[in-house]
Amino acid sequence: DVKVTQSSRYLVKRTGEKVFLECVQDMDHENMFWYRQDPGLGLRLIYFSYDVKMKEKGDIPEGYSVSREKKERFSLILESASTNQTSMYLCASSSDRGLNEQYFGPGTRLTVT
Amino acid sequence: TQLLEQSPQFLSIQEGENLTVYCNSSSVFSSLQWYRQEPGEGPVLLVTVVTGGEVKKLKRLTFQFGDARKDSSLHITAAQPGDTGLYLCAGVFRGAGSYQLTFGKGTKLSVIP
Repeated sequence: DVKVTQSSRYLVKRTGEKVFLECVQDMDHENMFWYRQDPGLGLRLIYFSYDVKMKEKGDIPEGYSVSREKKERFSLILESASTNQTSMYLCASSSDRGLNEQYFGPGTRLTVT
Repeated sequence: TQLLEQSPQFLSIQEGENLTVYCNSSSVFSSLQWYRQEPGEGPVLLVTVVTGGEVKKLKRLTFQFGDARKDSSLHITAAQPGDTGLYLCAGVFRGAGSYQLTFGKGTKLSVIP
C-alpha cells in the first residue's frame, strides 16, 4: 500500500514559536506538496518540490518555508507561528507536478494560540 | 492560478436520494480529477476524466466531463451514509512547460440514514 505519513495529527503551538511539520512518502515520488485547508477556502498550495533541494512557491507561501534534503521527506516550517496559521495542513506526493494522482497524508491540525 | 467553482457548497440529503455536484471553470482542463475526503483523513482519488464528453462510472457514482472540457459533474444514485464526505474536483491545466493541479473548494455531503 502506498503511503504518505505526517509527523503529527494534532499540534498546539504558541504565537511566535517555530513549528516543523514533517511528511514522508514511500512511493519514490519526485514531487511533493504542502497545502493548507480552511473551511470555505478549500485546499491552497503553500509550496511544492519537484526534486531534492528544489522548491517552488505555491499560491500562499508567505510565513512559511520548506526543506527537502531527502527524496522521501518534505518539511514545512513556520518560522514564527501566528494565529492566522491555525489550519489543517496536508502533505501530498505525486509522480508528476500536476497531471497524475496526488497521494495525501492524513493531515496535521495545527492550532496556534 | 486557475479558478474552479464547485456547487453546491453543502448538501444534506436522505439516504436513497440522488444528487449531483458540479465543477466549472472558464478555462479548458487537460484533465479533471475527483477526490473524496472523509473526516480526519486526506483526500483520496476517485476518478480522472480526460476526454471531452467522457462518462465514467464507479458503482453508484457517475462522473461526466463536459464536451468543451471546462466543466464536470458527479452524480450519486441512491446515496448511502457511507457516501458522506467532502467531494473535491481538481482541474489539471497546462501551464508554461508543466501541468498544474488546482482544487475547487469542495462540496460537503451529508447523507442522513
